[in-house]
Amino acid sequence: NAGVTQTPKFRVLKTGQSMTLLCAQDMNHEYMYWYRQDPGMGLRLIHYSVGEGTTAKGEVPDGYNVSRLKKQNFLLGLESAAPSQTSVYFCASSYGGTATARYGYTFGSGTRLTVV
Amino acid sequence: DQQVKQNSPSLSVQEGRISILNCDYTNSMFDYFLWYKKYPAEGPTFLISISSIKDKNEDGRFTVFLNKSAKHLSLHIVPSQPGDSAVYFCAVNKFYFGSGTKLNVKP
Repeated sequence: NAGVTQTPKFRVLKTGQSMTLLCAQDMNHEYMYWYRQDPGMGLRLIHYSVGEGTTAKGEVPDGYNVSRLKKQNFLLGLESAAPSQTSVYFCASSYGGTATARYGYTFGSGTRLTVV
Repeated sequence: DQQVKQNSPSLSVQEGRISILNCDYTNSMFDYFLWYKKYPAEGPTFLISISSIKDKNEDGRFTVFLNKSAKHLSLHIVPSQPGDSAVYFCAVNKFYFGSGTKLNVKP
């Protein structure tokens, strides 16, 4: 049981380049999330999805887009990377609703992205 | 504005003693609260949660206390073990996470 898998684990981009981060979960979770972690800032929500075909903005959505075409996958896109997007990105999934309170999120191991 | 605050970036405790990690929140409408543990180069893992209708929840060595009037929650680890050394995040149901407290348990 893999849980939540993120690819790639590391990436270096040049300013202005684009890329897609892939998140896959095999737990049949309804909800999926993308967070970024920066020093001293904790985890900040970028976008999330409450089900296949739905997405919503989180706290820091600017510069990112997402898609959830299949229940098990949640893609995070950077259209034109900027140095301010240098961060560690975490994908997470959960059952949603009150079940989240009982079981929490399951996180992937993260993607370390550097934009130069 | 930060919805969830962890004001102590780090905490050092001797093995066998109690570790107390603190978290403050701003919105009294939050209805459940969670703690996560994170090791370097790994994603956070869920540790324990508490509903706003309770003031205490216990799971083995881990106990979470909720003080709704003060909008404050704490995580107690007793006894602390070197393997507990990690970053601990508190979180609330509306997706918000604190900035984390790095716990170091000294042998």
